[in-house]
Amino acid sequence: DIQMTQSPSSLSASVGDRVTITCRASQRIDTSLNWYQQKPGKPPKLLIYAASTLQSGVPSRFSGGGSGTDFTLTISSLQAEDFATYYCQQSYDTPRRTFGQGTKVEVK
Amino acid sequence: EVQLVESGGGLVQPGGSIRLSCEASGFSVSRTYMSWVRQAPGKGLEWVSIVYRSGSLYYADSVKGRFTLSRDISKNMLYLQLNSLRADDTAVYYCARDEWFYNDGSGYYAFDSWGQGTLVTVSS
Repeated sequence: DIQMTQSPSSLSASVGDRVTITCRASQRIDTSLNWYQQKPGKPPKLLIYAASTLQSGVPSRFSGGGSGTDFTLTISSLQAEDFATYYCQQSYDTPRRTFGQGTKVEVK
Repeated sequence: EVQLVESGGGLVQPGGSIRLSCEASGFSVSRTYMSWVRQAPGKGLEWVSIVYRSGSLYYADSVKGRFTLSRDISKNMLYLQLNSLRADDTAVYYCARDEWFYNDGSGYYAFDSWGQGTLVTVSS
């Protein structure tokens, strides 16, 4: 089974900061990598699919990159509504859908 | 508008059973993949089960043999039967549409729509 490891597990940042979250797969997954944002008490929301394609309606300050085993989610200028937990997820190892453990973005 | 609404959660004793429902609207559950994903209190997301368009079913190792996913195409509903429940099955259970996206000549799956979730608590 493919394992997904995110780093860091949490980070503190301020509005306007550039934030980068890393996700590493235990084996190559090409670009079959998705990113989700989850706020407390809410379901996850798809931000990026295929490693770098922004889902419709997602602000352009979010971007994704990487392929193979190493991926990044970047928020170019953190906004107040971006404080949340972010998850990566692989869809390469069909039918399994594995998530990373999550990265909580908190207010500094 | 795509919408998913789960129901059926509650308090169950260890070893007990419960059936979760997911009502879909705005699309047909027969034309896409559908999954159940769960989240234990304060923890991360865990994929549980998936049904393909063909009706093929797959499960995470942690629930295989205890949980059963089914769908009723005529009602546009998804179900998850949870048996032999344990304390570590306590979680919010989400149903999610596992949509296919075409990008740069390849297809990719991602959970593009989620329900609000239903809480299952396993405790005596």
